[in-house]
Amino acid sequence: NAGVIQTPRHKVTGKGQEATLWCEPISGHSAVFWYRQTIVQGLEFLTYFRNQAPIDDSGMPKERFSAQMPNQSHSTLKIQSTQPQDSAVYLCASSSWTGNTEVFFGKGTRLTVV
Amino acid sequence: AQSVTQPDARVTVSEGASLQLRCKYSSSVTPYLFWYVQYPRQGLQLLLKYYSGDPVVQGVNGFEAEFSKSNSSFHLRKASVHWSDSAVYFCAVSLITGNTRKLIFGLGTTLQVQP
Repeated sequence: NAGVIQTPRHKVTGKGQEATLWCEPISGHSAVFWYRQTIVQGLEFLTYFRNQAPIDDSGMPKERFSAQMPNQSHSTLKIQSTQPQDSAVYLCASSSWTGNTEVFFGKGTRLTVV
Repeated sequence: AQSVTQPDARVTVSEGASLQLRCKYSSSVTPYLFWYVQYPRQGLQLLLKYYSGDPVVQGVNGFEAEFSKSNSSFHLRKASVHWSDSAVYFCAVSLITGNTRKLIFGLGTTLQVQP
């Protein structure tokens, strides 16, 4: 079990460019989460998939951010026209769906927008 | 709305000393509570969780936490810290409403263990 795998670990983009972050959840896990971590805001919930379907995107900025889960083995978070304030660590997590089972986190992708 | 407060941004203790990291939560129902630890350049790792029953729960590496409904608290403790415990510790509450589910985190407490 390699855990939740996130790629790349580090990404530097120029202002206005697009950034795509990848996540491979633990095999068999039906719930996938995306969080954003910054020093100021801490850990913020972005979005949640269950059985590949988007369930809750209440934390996603309404513009420029989108998330998809085209199959059960990976999810992507896409940020269009990146801005310096998008610089953060983006964490993906997965769990089985049986109420409050443990949520396993990846090591994150550090996005820097210059 | 559920929320979590960790009042101490940074705690420094000497190796071998006891430790308490504070966590206060706000919830309209009995919450599901968690403590996670984050080492540098790593993801979050679960230390322990509380769902119900005995208010004192044991976790990994000698950590334990005590749930108090009257105080709305879930403090983390360790009897004797090691330098390798230096990390950032997050308290979290699980929010399940309808079909959605998410963890609400505190801002974290950075623990520095001095030799």
